[in-house]
Amino acid sequence: EIVMTQSPAMLSVSPGERATLSCWASQSVNNNLAWYQQKPGQAPRLLIYGASTRATDIPARFSGSGSGTKFTLTISSLQSEDFAVYYCQQDNDWPYTFGQGTKLEIK
Amino acid sequence: QVQLQESGPGLVKPSGTLSLTCAVSGGSITSTNWWSWVRQSPGEGLKWIGEIYHSGSTNYNPSLKSRLSMSIDKSKNQFSLKLTSVTAADTAVYYCARKNYQMQYLGGVHWFDPWGQGTLVTVSS
Repeated sequence: EIVMTQSPAMLSVSPGERATLSCWASQSVNNNLAWYQQKPGQAPRLLIYGASTRATDIPARFSGSGSGTKFTLTISSLQSEDFAVYYCQQDNDWPYTFGQGTKLEIK
Repeated sequence: QVQLQESGPGLVKPSGTLSLTCAVSGGSITSTNWWSWVRQSPGEGLKWIGEIYHSGSTNYNPSLKSRLSMSIDKSKNQFSLKLTSVTAADTAVYYCARKNYQMQYLGGVHWFDPWGQGTLVTVSS
């Protein structure tokens, strides 16, 4: 099974600043990588698929990059509604696997 | 737009069977999508359980495969999950989700969207 590792586990950033979240795969997943945002009591919400394609209605401040084993989610200017937990997930091979999450908190 | 809603018992006894259903509205379960189950617990985080196509084809997580079965009811536009011999480790929020597919220049990619709101299942006597 492909292990997904996210870093850091927690990130404190001020509103208006940039946040950079990282995700590593234990083996290449090509560009088969999605990012999700989850707020307390809610289901995960799709942000990015195919490593860099923004999902419908996702603001342009969210961008994804990377391929192979290293991926990045960048939020260019944090808004109050962006403070949440972010997960990466590989869809290159069964079983699909998720990272353990990065909690983005207000500094 | 497509919406998914999980339903089922919130409490299951140890060694019993966990049964959940996901009702699909706003779209057909016979579309060219696979339909998945994902669970989330403090100990395991997010874990993909498995998926089913309207033909009845399935893919299961090997860690759960021996206890797992999925089915689909096209007449009711819903799909279901059964997990047998449950223990406290199966306590989690269970989500259903639609898996989507797109061919990109580097190959096919998949993603889960939309998701149901989730339902908490507790395994306890």
